[in-house]
Amino acid sequence: NAGVTQTPKFQVLKTGQSMTLQCAQDMNHNSMYWYRQDPGMGLRLIYYSASEGTTDKGEVPNGYNVSRLNKREFSLRLESAAPSQTSVYFCASRSGGSGHNEQFFGPGTRLTVL
Amino acid sequence: LAKTTQPISMDSYEGQEVNITCSHNNIATNDYITWYQQFPSQGPRFIIQGYKTKVTNEVASLFIPADRKSSTLSLPRVSLSDTAVYYCLVGDGTGGYNKLIFGAGTRLAVHP
Repeated sequence: NAGVTQTPKFQVLKTGQSMTLQCAQDMNHNSMYWYRQDPGMGLRLIYYSASEGTTDKGEVPNGYNVSRLNKREFSLRLESAAPSQTSVYFCASRSGGSGHNEQFFGPGTRLTVL
Repeated sequence: LAKTTQPISMDSYEGQEVNITCSHNNIATNDYITWYQQFPSQGPRFIIQGYKTKVTNEVASLFIPADRKSSTLSLPRVSLSDTAVYYCLVGDGTGGYNKLIFGAGTRLAVHP
């Protein structure tokens, strides 16, 4: 099993450009998450999807959109990138349901917006 | 909103036991408490999870008092490789079990 995979690993954008970060998991998990982590800071929840077909806002959703394409895939889109969105983006998945199960994280996408 | 509070940083020496306490005064009845470890340039990694009393696995112990308003992660005999950021996580009651929000974490530095 590959676990949680993210593409691309690195990306440089200019202000105003758009892009989509891809995330896929092969663990048949119901819940998926997108976090961002700024240098020296903790993780902040952008959006999450409790199950296929549902998405909900997290702590910092402004400037982002998400799509739960199917059970495996959860993408994050930046429509008009801004320098403040320079960060490392982590995708995670979790079996879901009751609280006693862990999140599995991908390796991250390092995004720089110039 | 279930918020967690942890010390920003801690220092220890190789071979010592380290205890990191997390405060979560608004924990919901059904929430579990989960701890993660994060190394630089990597995603967080699960360490341990519990609901009440004490849980132990091969790397750590988790102590949760009866009121569940706090929890303590105990790392026995730390080594240099335990230098990392440690996060305490509880489910956010407003979003059920699924809205999982990380706090700022505790930066543990282990010295020779």
